[in-house]
Amino acid sequence: GAVVSQHPSWVICKSGTSVKIECRSLDFQATTMFWYRQFPKQSLMLMATSNEGSKATYEQGVEKDKFLINHASLTLSTLTVTSAHPEDSSFYICSASKQDRNNEQFFGPGTRLTVL
Amino acid sequence: AQKITQTQPGMFVQEKEAVTLDCTYDTSDPSYGLFWYKQPSSGEMIFLIYQGSYDQQNATEGRYSLNFQKARKSANLVISASQLGDSAMYFCAMREGETSGSRLTFGEGTQLTVNP
Repeated sequence: GAVVSQHPSWVICKSGTSVKIECRSLDFQATTMFWYRQFPKQSLMLMATSNEGSKATYEQGVEKDKFLINHASLTLSTLTVTSAHPEDSSFYICSASKQDRNNEQFFGPGTRLTVL
Repeated sequence: AQKITQTQPGMFVQEKEAVTLDCTYDTSDPSYGLFWYKQPSSGEMIFLIYQGSYDQQNATEGRYSLNFQKARKSANLVISASQLGDSAMYFCAMREGETSGSRLTFGEGTQLTVNP
């Protein structure tokens, strides 16, 4: 199988601080990783597509200066929520795309962010 | 326009019975993939089954099968012999295109409850 990890699994921070979330593909290389956001009882909303060695592609309505994405290696992408506010509290999930027959996306376990 | 539609916000089924979760999609891309994921309360996204647009046969994975009706643009998930552990949120998703960088679009989800 293919394993994707996320760290931390949960984080509580004060308003105005920045939080970094890591997404790692543990047993495969991923040229593309995706970052999603999910509010309670709702579906996953794609925030951005992260490509190794290049700038991320953000979805419409997602502030690139607020949600900084770095994909510095084939196994690691990071999402930094800058100057976090309570409305940024959410469940953040990453996925990594494995280049196999189905080009399946493997999901991390998610990070629950609470901004006080 | 909604690309993935799941019309059942909630479904109930008796243990050991079969249940069908509906999913319809809309795309003009001749090459696409359809996925079903299970999300328990822990939040992790568990891949269940995949159907490619060119696949001739309906996909099956253990107790999961996908009823793919291309002309009707539907990809319903059938779970046979339901178990209590099947209680979770289920998402249908579509990937347009074949590359590993192709994004997934998710439906709104169906909350399945299996009753003992």
